[in-house]
Amino acid sequence: AQKVTQAQTEISVVEKEDVTLDCVYETRDTTYYLFWYKQPPSGELVFLIRRNSFDEQNEISGRYSWNFQKSTSSFNFTITASQVVDSAVYFCALSEDNSNSGYALNFGKGTSLLVTP
Amino acid sequence: NAGVTQTPKFRILKIGQSMTLQCAQDMNHNYMYWYRQDPGMGLKLIYYSVGAGITDKGEVPNGYNVSRSTTEDFPLRLELAAPSQTSVYFCASSYATGRQPQHFGDGTRLSIL
Repeated sequence: AQKVTQAQTEISVVEKEDVTLDCVYETRDTTYYLFWYKQPPSGELVFLIRRNSFDEQNEISGRYSWNFQKSTSSFNFTITASQVVDSAVYFCALSEDNSNSGYALNFGKGTSLLVTP
Repeated sequence: NAGVTQTPKFRILKIGQSMTLQCAQDMNHNYMYWYRQDPGMGLKLIYYSVGAGITDKGEVPNGYNVSRSTTEDFPLRLELAAPSQTSVYFCASSYATGRQPQHFGDGTRLSIL
């Protein structure tokens, strides 16, 4: 069963628009960790944020913000005033404390974001 | 700061050939991982290791082998390359806890023809 669902396959916005990338997860663990990674066209994976299951505080980092809601098992990512450099594939991932695979990440399928001028 | 280093970056293999993808990290991380990324499918775990001498299968291990003789190195071996193994391969490492982010190498793009 898919543990992390990113329902949006592709999103296209015009520069300066706000955009929200959705992430829904599934786990039976009480202790788990959620991550967002960015994969620009150059192909590397860039860590953006980590959130643990006990910390539901939202976080803002510049134009990026994250909304973690345990009640809906969601960890959404919003880019405010998008820029062309934000064009990338964004992955949401889950790590579980009781994982039988050494804290390996369960990745969603990714959302491809295209920001046009 | 080298982090996680993968070699080669690109490779084309013929069906049935063998090769080893190299991965090395200099952060003294105990945990290391191999993932493969297929278009539109996210990353899937091939093998992982929790320390030198200890390895285990992930979600998609068939057709691959690994070894971990040192903390630093975690090579991935393809014995008989098949077209289905055409993919981008990522190596990652982390401390022995789920709360720390995994550090990824830049990936190896492998084509089997």
